[in-house]
Order: sequence, then structure tokens, then C-alpha cells
Amino acid sequence: QKEVEQNSGPLSVPEGAIASLNCTYSDRGSQSFFWYRQYSGKSPELIMSIYSNGDKEDGRFTAQLNKASQYVSLLIRDSQPSDSATYLCAVREGQAGTALIFGKGTTLSVSS
Amino acid sequence: EAGVAQSPRYKIIEKRQSVAFWCNPISGHATLYWYQQILGQGPKLLIQFQNNGVVDDSQLPKDRFSAERLKGVDSTLKIQPAKLEDSAVYLCASSRLQKGTGSLYEQYFGPGTRLTVT
Repeated sequence: QKEVEQNSGPLSVPEGAIASLNCTYSDRGSQSFFWYRQYSGKSPELIMSIYSNGDKEDGRFTAQLNKASQYVSLLIRDSQPSDSATYLCAVREGQAGTALIFGKGTTLSVSS
Repeated sequence: EAGVAQSPRYKIIEKRQSVAFWCNPISGHATLYWYQQILGQGPKLLIQFQNNGVVDDSQLPKDRFSAERLKGVDSTLKIQPAKLEDSAVYLCASSRLQKGTGSLYEQYFGPGTRLTVT
């Protein structure tokens, strides 16, 4: 059973702080990794994708991938109350697979 | 560029009734996905189409769920008969390509249909 694990939270951080969201996955052959943001009552919105080991930065967001440890993370710098949402980690199945396996999501709460 | 469109947005039915959901993907996206998201869970893939062919329907409960994408664009997902445990949000997503890395196969979601079975 291929799995993606996330701490469900809630993760609470003050406004302006760095929020760190973590994800581990079981399929060692996975090649593509994604972070989706989901506001309450809304659909998932793609915010970051990462395909190779290391860091990828986009504005206030940084995705980090370590395939040897089967670990992917998302850092949100200068967290804002508008960042309060559930963050879903998704992993593309296998080396040539097409299906996304989602974690249950981590709920982030940013207090002003 | 218009996003993925879905309808209806909300549906309430009684158990054993039937229901259908419609999806129109982003223009030019050949791959279409239907996901089921139960409250507190991540989305779970039900079925994936590449143009009008089924790529993966291994998690689709085929005794009650069916889906089609006849002309390779719009898709319909049907449940008949519905059970209480089918209460969930049904999400449609699309991507330009099926396999590979990069932005051409990243998946984008529609607004979803919230189904309540009573």
C-alpha cells in the first residue's frame, strides 16, 4: 500500500513566522512531488511542484526534497493569516505512473 | 484561460437514488481525473481518462459508479444506487499530458461537487 504521511496538525504560527510542513512517502520510485493548498470548503490549489533533490523557491514558498530519506517539506516564510488553510502533499505514483497519492493534509493556522 | 468547470456544486439525494456529475476540463488538457474527497481526508483517485480512453479505474467501485468521456472533452461521473458512505466532495482535475515531469502534466482541480446522501 503506497502511502503519503502528513502530521494533521493543527500547526499554529504567529504572523511573520516561518511555517514548516512535512511529508513522508513510501514509494521509493516516486519522481514528482506536489504541494496543494485547500481553503475550507474550496478545492485544492497547486502551489508548488518539485522533481529533483534540493530546494525550490517561489516567492514566500520553498519546497525541499530528499529522495534518500523519502521526505518532502514546504516552508512558508513571513506567514500571513491568509495562509491559514490545509496543505496537501501529493506524490506521483512510481517512476512512470500518473496517479497522485495524497496525504490527509496538515492544517495551518496563522494568528495575527 | 478558463479553469476546470464542474456542475452541480451541491447535491442532496436519498440513499438508493442516482446522481450524475459533469466536468469540463481546461481547454487543451487531454487527461482528466475524477477524485473523491471525504471530509478530513486527501483526495482519492476514482478514474483517469487519457482523451476518451480509461487509463486507471482500479479504485472505482464499478458496481455502483460509472464514468465516461465520450468525445475526449467533457466527462460525466454517475453513482447508482447511492449509499450513505458516498457522501463526499467529487473533484474533477485535468492536465495537459499524462506522463513525464514538468508543468505540462501538473493537475488542476475544479471547484468540486459536494454530495450529501441521506
